[in-house]
Amino acid sequence: SQQGEEDPQALSIQEGENATMNCSYKTSINNLQWYRQNSGRGLVHLILIRSNEREKHSGRLRVTLDTSKKSSSLLITASRAADTASYFCATDRQGAQKLVFGQGTRLTINP
Amino acid sequence: DTAVSQTPKYLVTQMGNDKSIKCEQNLGHDTMYWYKQDSKKFLKIMFSYNNKELIINETVPNRFSPKSPDKAHLNLHINSLELGDSAVYFCASSQDTQGRGYEQYFGPGTRLTVT
Repeated sequence: SQQGEEDPQALSIQEGENATMNCSYKTSINNLQWYRQNSGRGLVHLILIRSNEREKHSGRLRVTLDTSKKSSSLLITASRAADTASYFCATDRQGAQKLVFGQGTRLTINP
Repeated sequence: DTAVSQTPKYLVTQMGNDKSIKCEQNLGHDTMYWYKQDSKKFLKIMFSYNNKELIINETVPNRFSPKSPDKAHLNLHINSLELGDSAVYFCASSQDTQGRGYEQYFGPGTRLTVT
């Protein structure tokens, strides 16, 4: 069964605004990863947060993880048109030896 | 330099045919994967290999057969293609199997259309 559920499914904002996407999951994890997929391309790894971490930053990206609520959020600050893409969370479940991807959030940045 | 490459990029074929997709990674990774992404963008793992050994075989029809001649290559052969096989197939690789926090590197995808 699907592990990650992203929310919202689609998000449209103006350039310069912040974008927040959420991911919920069901079982215990080793880590959670976020990926970006531009239209017609493969997925690109953005950031990984381990189960014992609560927050992580990478450039304009900020990821939080709340293992008690089994949820994570991805914040993109000062969005740009080039951030237009689908964003996926992927959970690395304990003992599973695989990533399980959610259905993604389609983000559109309007110029 | 391309890290994970797939060929072909597009594949259009008729029902009942047999086709193959090839994947190569030049990252020196030990683990490779095949994923299927459907029209709703849902990405589901099909197979994973670690050092040429099959690690994961999700509930995939027997018509799909992966082959790993060496740890840098993982090919996917599909027999008796069906309409429902139409999707984008992604190859990926990672340094080792999941569980230790390894990111995955994805190929550009192969869009398979079965008519």
